[in-house]
Amino acid sequence: EAGVVQSPRYKIIEKKQPVAFWCNPISGHNTLYWYLQNLGQGPELLIRYENEEAVDDSQLPKDRFSAERLKGVDSTLKIQPAELGDSAVYLCASSLRAGQETQYFGPGTRLLVL
Amino acid sequence: GQNIDQPTEMTATEGAIVQINCTYQTSGFNGLFWYQQHAGEAPTFLSYNVLDGLEEKGRFSSFLSRSKGYSYLLLKELQMKDSASYLCAVARGSTLGRLYFGRGTQLTVWP
Repeated sequence: EAGVVQSPRYKIIEKKQPVAFWCNPISGHNTLYWYLQNLGQGPELLIRYENEEAVDDSQLPKDRFSAERLKGVDSTLKIQPAELGDSAVYLCASSLRAGQETQYFGPGTRLLVL
Repeated sequence: GQNIDQPTEMTATEGAIVQINCTYQTSGFNGLFWYQQHAGEAPTFLSYNVLDGLEEKGRFSSFLSRSKGYSYLLLKELQMKDSASYLCAVARGSTLGRLYFGRGTQLTVWP
């Protein structure tokens, strides 16, 4: 069974440019999460989807970040415009449903903003 | 935050036993997870505790005391490949599905 797929794995952009990350969760997983991980820190939740509905986006900086999961399967996270402080690893995870279900993580996209 | 605290770094030698502690302060506790993360890779699930006690899974065991807000991950018969960051994460019932992660403990296993 394929795990969580993310692309690209690495991205280097200049500040003020837009960037997008893509995630395909494990087949059959209804819940999808986007996390931000800074160096030496644990992941922090940005947004959680139940199917196509964003049910927890309180930590998403909505002035520059947006996300969508139109058909309740794959998802895209966008930053526009990117800032230097956005340099981090963006992790996608999925689980069968929310709650006590184990979350399975993708390899992440490592973003460097110059 | 959820005041999740774990040591930043630990070292041990091959074949030894190491215990990584995690303390937390949270309301509406709904379970504690341990994840392993090798450098540049995704966190991978190790264990889940929601009731007090010890859960054993091969060389890895995890313990939880809800009254003390305390958990530990016990790694036995250490191998070089166990060198990684170990993340403690707490789930809360009121924010269903959101995990609150600690900063991770970087374990280095020496030959």
